Amino acid sequence: GIQVEQSPPDLILQEGANSTLRCNFSDSVNNLQWFHQNPWGQLINLFYIPSGTKQNGRLSATTVATERYSLLYISSSQTTDSGVYFCAVESPGYGNKLVFGAGTILRVKS
Amino acid sequence: EPEVTQTPSHQVTQMGQEVILRCVPISNHLYFYWYRQILGQKVEFLVSFYNNEISEKSEIFDDQFSVERPDGSNFTLKIRSTKLEDSAMYFCASSESKTGLEQYFGPGTRLTVT
Repeated sequence: GIQVEQSPPDLILQEGANSTLRCNFSDSVNNLQWFHQNPWGQLINLFYIPSGTKQNGRLSATTVATERYSLLYISSSQTTDSGVYFCAVESPGYGNKLVFGAGTILRVKS
Repeated sequence: EPEVTQTPSHQVTQMGQEVILRCVPISNHLYFYWYRQILGQKVEFLVSFYNNEISEKSEIFDDQFSVERPDGSNFTLKIRSTKLEDSAMYFCASSESKTGLEQYFGPGTRLTVT
């Protein structure tokens, strides 16, 4: 099946810092989603971004489908940004399911 | 904004008991999914469902599991005889179309098997 790799696995930031999270995938995709898992375990959908660039407040994401990667940018980080960030992809030929990466654990310190 | 809902938020059950996890997908969506996340691990696909039948299932989705759409709004996951290793967060999701469109996730049900 398709492989999804996220980096870095762990990231510690001081409040106010910026960060970039990366998601690499091994085959073409027709869906890519970024999620934030909060301390209660809920998956909060951040972006649906199979290609191109989107922005939502302090967060933005870019997917370069031809080069098989996506980036999630967090600017001016806040303690509430802490949690696990997952990238998930759906690939033609591998069924209509999302395949998740292992996630990036983000800790923002005040 | 429409959202996927799940009940209960937390369920504790004894090994060997049957559990039913419930989900209400977004009303105009046609495709439904269950995913599972064991504590500290990645989220894994279990099953997808369309037109009242299973569209695809993973190796995890063995004979202990079943899904059903008993009426026009609910989508359920049943585990017949729970095992300790079934303890996990179970997420329901729905989408308008089979491929390529966004999947909307519910808040999850945390299942604890003792």
